[in-house]
Amino acid sequence: GEDVEQSLFLSVREGDSSVINCTYTDSSSTYLYWYKQEPGAGLQLLTYIFSNMDMKQDQRLTVLLNKKDKHLSLRIADTQTGDSAIYFCAEIDSARQLTFGSGTQLTVLP
Amino acid sequence: KAGVTQTPRYLIKTRGQQVTLSCSPISGHRSVSWYQQTPGQGLQFLFEYFSETQRNKGNFPGRFSGRQFSNSRSEMNVSTLELGDSALYLCASSEGLAGTDTQYFGPGTRLTVL
Repeated sequence: GEDVEQSLFLSVREGDSSVINCTYTDSSSTYLYWYKQEPGAGLQLLTYIFSNMDMKQDQRLTVLLNKKDKHLSLRIADTQTGDSAIYFCAEIDSARQLTFGSGTQLTVLP
Repeated sequence: KAGVTQTPRYLIKTRGQQVTLSCSPISGHRSVSWYQQTPGQGLQFLFEYFSETQRNKGNFPGRFSGRQFSNSRSEMNVSTLELGDSALYLCASSEGLAGTDTQYFGPGTRLTVL
């Protein structure tokens, strides 16, 4: 079945770039998503990428997709303390069901 | 447009009781999906409703059920609550059509079962 994997923790200094990595298994996924969850809150959609794209940039966010290796990454430029949260990558299957990774806890140090 | 709203935000129940959670999707969205989030299992898909019909279902027992009304609002019901049902229940709305069908999430309902 589908499986999405992420590293659990990432710490960066304020102002540095953060890179959160994700691997997925369902090669038929048409879209891949990044969501952000702050404590006590729901999931906020950050960005998504179509499977036939290699890269998508949206302000401080850059998504890279390596379809051959089924590897997805989210780069946050100039990371701020407000970026501290849990970041989930997710793939969507043909039944429109999202499968999420375990989430990466990003901690931004002053 | 207003976002996805969920009520109530917090609930405390005891084992054996039942509970109903409500979700109002973004205006114009016809699909509502429900997810359970727990520290141990992460985010898991419960079911999806589209035009008042359950279109997809995850791997949860029959104690978990839902429905959708003609205005696309959805309710989720859990009967005979167990301690393990304590979780954050998230609903997501989307247009429900092919293509991106990007899902937008509500703030969730935190259910605690004592």
